[in-house]
Amino acid sequence: GAGVSQSPSNKVTEKGKDVELRCDPISGHTALYWYRQRLGQGLEFLIYFQGNSAPDKSGLPSDRFSAERTGESVSTLTIQRTQQEDSAVYLCASSLAWQGSDEQFFGPGTRLTVL
Amino acid sequence: GENVEQHPSTLSVQEGDSAVIKCTYSDSASNYFPWYKQELGKRPQLIIDIRSNVGEKKDQRIAVTLNKTAKHFSLHITETQPEDSAVYFCADSDSWGKFQFGAGTQVVVTP
Repeated sequence: GAGVSQSPSNKVTEKGKDVELRCDPISGHTALYWYRQRLGQGLEFLIYFQGNSAPDKSGLPSDRFSAERTGESVSTLTIQRTQQEDSAVYLCASSLAWQGSDEQFFGPGTRLTVL
Repeated sequence: GENVEQHPSTLSVQEGDSAVIKCTYSDSASNYFPWYKQELGKRPQLIIDIRSNVGEKKDQRIAVTLNKTAKHFSLHITETQPEDSAVYFCADSDSWGKFQFGAGTQVVVTP
């Protein structure tokens, strides 16, 4: 079946502009996760959803970052007034159960470049 | 989970030798410990995982051990092959679903 998809695959934007990143999880997956991965570095946890509820938003780097999820489907990560330090690959993952003990399936990521 | 520390950051091994990566965690509520492999330019993929009620799990050349008392877990790759070259991430998760990943280990297997 279809895996996790993300769009766009690449986004180049100017400093100060807003961007919206989209994630389509695997159908039926209750949990959805957003991570940021800077070049050559590890996975930085941003936020996760159980259904359309986000129990923990403490990983979001600043109030310029926000995320929402429609039902148990699409999620969008919005970055307002982008800064150069926001440049990274943004990875989305989904898993079947919300209890945190299931395999996460990752999307291909969105490579964001802020000029 | 809370902080997860991963060592070493880089690991070079000769083909056929074993590789061991170690992670420590701090959250006593953590109950799920997956390992992901990420090849250059690709997405992370799960290679093995272990739950808190198990001490060891093996899948062909890959094994993971968990010591809940000491709060550490390790990945063991035996008979390494060039295609094992990648970045490996450990992670932990609690029952609330929050994951924390280690910083990653760059494994290079030289023929």
